[in-house]
Amino acid sequence: DTAVSQTPKYLVTQMGNDKSIKCEQNLGHDTMYWYKQDSKKFLKIMFSYNNKELIINETVPNRFSPKSPDKAHLNLHINSLELGDSAVYFCASSHEGGGLRRHTFGSGTRLTVV
Amino acid sequence: QQQVKQSPQSLIVQKGGISIINCAYENTAFDYFPWYQQFPGKGPALLIAIRPDVSEKKEGRFTISFNKSAKQFSLHIMDSQPGDSATYFCAASREDSSYKLIFGSGTRLLVRP
Repeated sequence: DTAVSQTPKYLVTQMGNDKSIKCEQNLGHDTMYWYKQDSKKFLKIMFSYNNKELIINETVPNRFSPKSPDKAHLNLHINSLELGDSAVYFCASSHEGGGLRRHTFGSGTRLTVV
Repeated sequence: QQQVKQSPQSLIVQKGGISIINCAYENTAFDYFPWYQQFPGKGPALLIAIRPDVSEKKEGRFTISFNKSAKQFSLHIMDSQPGDSATYFCAASREDSSYKLIFGSGTRLLVRP
């Protein structure tokens, strides 16, 4: 009954490989996001989708390609992985409630590029 | 350019004490200011949030104080408990940017027993 679930939780891969992270939300939210948390814990938005439409792309290298097959899923594919891509990637979803837009985060995918 | 500045970077408080974390923002178009709590190995979890038309919001032991003219807001944790030990992030967003969250740099709080 997890609200926002990401897989895998851990991902260790070599430089140059291509990998994907999957995200699913069962909250019925209309907007989904990918955030990146670096080694200093700084959180930064990468992408946002609303009803399967890309609405935010925060100058992320085009090696990163999000895909939203439906409102409940937002996957992240990364090509030609680099050492600097090592981070924790969080999927999130949001909806309007009580005049506030509430974001719910997944538990993260720790990506290590070696 | 850091749009949301958070301080302190770390904070140690005795059990029962008050923890205070401060944030300042630059963009006056921001209209939503949440605080998130993150435990190791977990994602950020919404703690409490406020809109700029309100100067204070309280939920249990957690209070947000908001000063629109100074472009500052703070989180107060009353009667701090060891279980509150976590990293706290302030954030800001605005409706016309699809509510993407702009986060502060985080405060690591340790509450000593």
